Amino acid sequence: GDSVTQMEGPVTLSEEAFLTINCTYTATGYPSLFWYVQYPGEGLQLLLKATKADDKGSNKGFEATYRKETTSFHLEKGSVQVSDSAVYFCALWGSGAGSYQLTFGKGTKLSVIP
Amino acid sequence: GAGVSQSPSNKVTEKGKDVELRCDPISGHTALYWYRQSLGQGLEFLIYFQGNSAPDKSGLPSDRFSAERTGGSVSTLTIQRTQQEDSAVYLCASSSTGTAANYGYTFGSGTRLTVV
Repeated sequence: GDSVTQMEGPVTLSEEAFLTINCTYTATGYPSLFWYVQYPGEGLQLLLKATKADDKGSNKGFEATYRKETTSFHLEKGSVQVSDSAVYFCALWGSGAGSYQLTFGKGTKLSVIP
Repeated sequence: GAGVSQSPSNKVTEKGKDVELRCDPISGHTALYWYRQSLGQGLEFLIYFQGNSAPDKSGLPSDRFSAERTGGSVSTLTIQRTQQEDSAVYLCASSSTGTAANYGYTFGSGTRLTVV
């Protein structure tokens, strides 16, 4: 079945540092890929997405590129802020005809210190 | 509504009591999902509704958990005889059929359940 693996946290960075959170997936065909963010005390919000190979999703300074050859969708940001402290979830929607739900990774907690 | 609404936002209950958690999805969204998130943990899938029917309830952890959806809209998750291990944040999400592959789900803010 489909699965998503993302790097274990927590990740602690200083403000203005470069961020990478690795995400790899296992799925047949061409799934859609997503990053969600969960700020403290809130639900998950869609951060960015890519629906086909080589697409780059971007939002709020975050980027991720859909790499079919390496089955990856790594999240990057060039300069993190304290307000980026949150839990980040990588997810996929399978391309099979019977797909009806997102498959989530376990989440990576990011803490950004001033 | 404009977003997915969950109520209550916080619930403290005594062990052994029953609780009902409510989810009001985005108007017109036919798919509805319940997840559980224990402290510091990832998302645990509980149940999926398409319209009023639940094709996948495989994630419900025990027969103390049940859920229903009426009118293709509001859903209620009921936990009977609550236990301390039921303490968690319960998240609801909805999506429109045929668009989730492109847009994913929209989540509510969750209900934080504490069983004392």
